[in-house]
Amino acid sequence: EPEVTQTPSHQVTQMGQEVILRCVPISNHLYFYWYRQILGQKVEFLVSFYNNEISEKSEIFDDQFSVERPDGSNFTLKIRSTKLEDSAMYFCASTEPSGANVLTFGAGSRLTVL
Amino acid sequence: GDSVTQMEGPVTLSEEAFLTINCTYTATGYPSLFWYVQYPGEGLQLLLKATKADDKGSNKGFEATYRKETTSFHLEKGSVQVSDSAVYFCALSFSGGYNKLIFGAGTRLAVHP
Repeated sequence: EPEVTQTPSHQVTQMGQEVILRCVPISNHLYFYWYRQILGQKVEFLVSFYNNEISEKSEIFDDQFSVERPDGSNFTLKIRSTKLEDSAMYFCASTEPSGANVLTFGAGSRLTVL
Repeated sequence: GDSVTQMEGPVTLSEEAFLTINCTYTATGYPSLFWYVQYPGEGLQLLLKATKADDKGSNKGFEATYRKETTSFHLEKGSVQVSDSAVYFCALSFSGGYNKLIFGAGTRLAVHP
């Protein structure tokens, strides 16, 4: 069964460092998303991406965050200068073109900011 | 705004007990409703969904019925197993395109032998 792949599974970084989280969505999917889950809290929407541009972003997704689809397969989330409160599990997801709005999630990348 | 409210956990049950996890929603239109499950150390997996009122989603013995009159989508299972121990998230989304999922806070279920 096709799956969304995320790397790294766990990254530890120092506060103020840049972090790039990578995702390979399912190949025929057209809509891509990043969500995050701070430990013990709800899953929160960060950003959606379609046709090589951001279609919607949340209040969390400030100027420190950016997304990119640098080639035909990868979808990345960059955090320019990490803060302690960025420590969370980050999930990538994608949906198929039919608009059936069933998201397929990756296993997540755990980011720990020290 | 649109939101999802779930019963707080943790829910602790013995194996073969009946499970209900309550979920209610607030939405301006007619959303699709979902239950996602997160097993320990894993990502989110779609458990079941319903796209319109009175639809029943079912999978792996779990069921939930889309109740427009009570704006609810309660998750039920007749006989839980230890392997059902996980965090369960209720969520809503609107049809079409890139509409995002809005999640509830999640309910942790622990099933003991």
